[in-house]
Formats: sequence, C-alpha cells, structure tokens
Amino acid sequence: GAGVSQSPRYKVAKRGQDVALRCDPISGHVSLFWYQQALGQGPEFLTYFQNEAQLDKSGLPSDRFFAERPEGSVSTLKIQRTQQEDSAVYLCASSPRTGRYSYGYTFGSGTRLTVV
Amino acid sequence: DAKTTQPNSMESNEEEPVHLPCNHSTISGTDYIHWYRQLPSQGPEYVIHGLTSNVNNRMASLAIAEDRKSSTLILHRATLRDAAVYYCILRDVASGAGSYQLTFGKGTKLSVIP
Repeated sequence: GAGVSQSPRYKVAKRGQDVALRCDPISGHVSLFWYQQALGQGPEFLTYFQNEAQLDKSGLPSDRFFAERPEGSVSTLKIQRTQQEDSAVYLCASSPRTGRYSYGYTFGSGTRLTVV
Repeated sequence: DAKTTQPNSMESNEEEPVHLPCNHSTISGTDYIHWYRQLPSQGPEYVIHGLTSNVNNRMASLAIAEDRKSSTLILHRATLRDAAVYYCILRDVASGAGSYQLTFGKGTKLSVIP
C-alpha cells in the first residue's frame, strides 16, 4: 500500500489478556519503529528493527512487551498480561533507511489500546 | 541529549502566515532539526528538516538562526487542515541511538480560526 497500515485500529482488552498489534510498513522499507503515545503526551520510542533484526528494544517498558519482524516486513507488537497502564496509542513507523540519509519517517494511524 | 522548548499552544487566523518557534540552545554540530505534526487521531507526519541553511518544501519553510540555537517553522497560509500538534525534534546523526530515535516533547498545539 501507499502508507503504513496498522491493525486493529481499536482494541479493548480485559486486564490480564494478551494482545497482538500488527504493522504493515511501506514495501521495501528497511527500518521499522514502534512508539507508544499516552493521552496528551508525545510519542515515546519502544523498539527499532532493521530488516528482521531488532537492533534496539531499550524503550520496551517491561518484559511483558515483545516485538518481532521475522521476515523483515510485517511486524507484530505483543503485550502479555495487559495492565491498565498499557492503555495508549501504539504507533508504527517505517523508513527506507536510517542515519544521516534518513529524512522523514512515515507513521501509521496507530492502534488505540484500552485495557479495562 | 539536546532538548527543545516550544510554546504549549498557538492560534492563527485562517489564510494568515504562522510562525512556530522552537528553542534548542544546547544543540550540537551534528544535530539535525526535524519538524513533525500530528493531526487529531492520526500518527505524526514528517514536515521538514534542516541543518544550517533555511529550507523550503511544499508544506512549509524552516528558518534556522545563525547560531542554530533556535528555529522557526513557517506555514505560509494557514488552513483549517493545519490544525495539529507540531513537534520540533533534534536528531544527532553522529549518535548511535540518536540517529534513528525520535524524541518527541509535548509540541505546540496550533488552532486555526476560520
């Protein structure tokens, strides 16, 4: 597709339930990022992939959060045993490359997760 | 990491120019200045970036102070569709994590009055 696609758009989970959020980046984009955005705040970095390799997972808030990109394209962010503090919008972004020659990242519209 | 300071909110009349300021007094020589905006219920959208010289593209212009300690995003003619939160972000291409991580602050919420 022309942009970054995320699904589902909205997810309501009961506390303790596991959830999986999907990101389809722009075809051919090497770099993929996940961000978390709490209400009224700017997005915060979670993790970064270059192709299938997860090069930085320093922003993942706990070991309940796990991300994968097994074939270097689609990525899944999994949250186990969801807690109320996990309620946020989860944003995925992709880029043809990173570093000095990377200009803008293309973000998806996000998945709004509500834990009840 | 170098930090940025932006006003919490600004208002503009439709069809008038808007100047969104950003202070970054601790900017390093390898920090690029990036601007993103986020419309309601959307992900952030890249607007423009620059290093030292002023930059123009179809969306906006970026004016960078000579000492690089501040910059201004200029929307030449605000429309209702420009109502969004605007983020000024520094990216240090010489830093490992800084070269790819975007550190968003709270940004400036721009309201456009019809």
